[in-house]
Amino acid sequence: SQQGEEDPQALSIQEGENATMNCSYKTSINNLQWYRQNSGRGLVHLILIRSNEREKHSGRLRVTLDTSKKSSSLLITASRAADTASYFCATEGGSQGNLIFGKGTKLSVKP
Amino acid sequence: DAEITQSPRHKITETGRQVTLACHQTWNHNNMFWYRQDLGHGLRLIHYSYGVQDTNKGEVSDGYSVSRSNTEDLPLTLESAASSQTSVYFCASSALRVHGGELFFGEGSRLTVL
Repeated sequence: SQQGEEDPQALSIQEGENATMNCSYKTSINNLQWYRQNSGRGLVHLILIRSNEREKHSGRLRVTLDTSKKSSSLLITASRAADTASYFCATEGGSQGNLIFGKGTKLSVKP
Repeated sequence: DAEITQSPRHKITETGRQVTLACHQTWNHNNMFWYRQDLGHGLRLIHYSYGVQDTNKGEVSDGYSVSRSNTEDLPLTLESAASSQTSVYFCASSALRVHGGELFFGEGSRLTVL
């Protein structure tokens, strides 16, 4: 069962614009993670935000978490063509607390 | 540098054959995972292990098995491959068991079952 659901499924923007992706989840969480996947490659961890945090930054990435709405957003500022990839949110689920991934947002940044 | 490697990267097999996908990590992580990735489904957990001799079923474990005889390796076996198991398979490892364990992924193994 899917815990996180990303929105939109696909996003196409011009280089230099900001990209915002959203993730909604169903049950309470301890933390939420965002991953990136380039075409044909494995996933790479981007950032983790804990349930007691509301916002976190890492370089051009800004992640917010609203536990009351059970949602998170990933903002990529001043996007570059190299940011073209799929982005996944992941939350802990199941009896063992393993990470459960959403279906991802496919971001295309046009030069 | 520590890494996690999968082999083979691409494999074509026939229905009914046994297939083993290898996963080897040099992070010295106790926790290892196998996911499959399909269009429309995202990543789904197949099996996972929290240490040597420990294995657990994930969300989509039917038709798959794993064994953990050492820290570094978690091979995934398809006992009798089916066309529904055509997918891209990812192995991952983490240092923490829960509550913040960042996953390190391999590059994936693309399996086609004809």
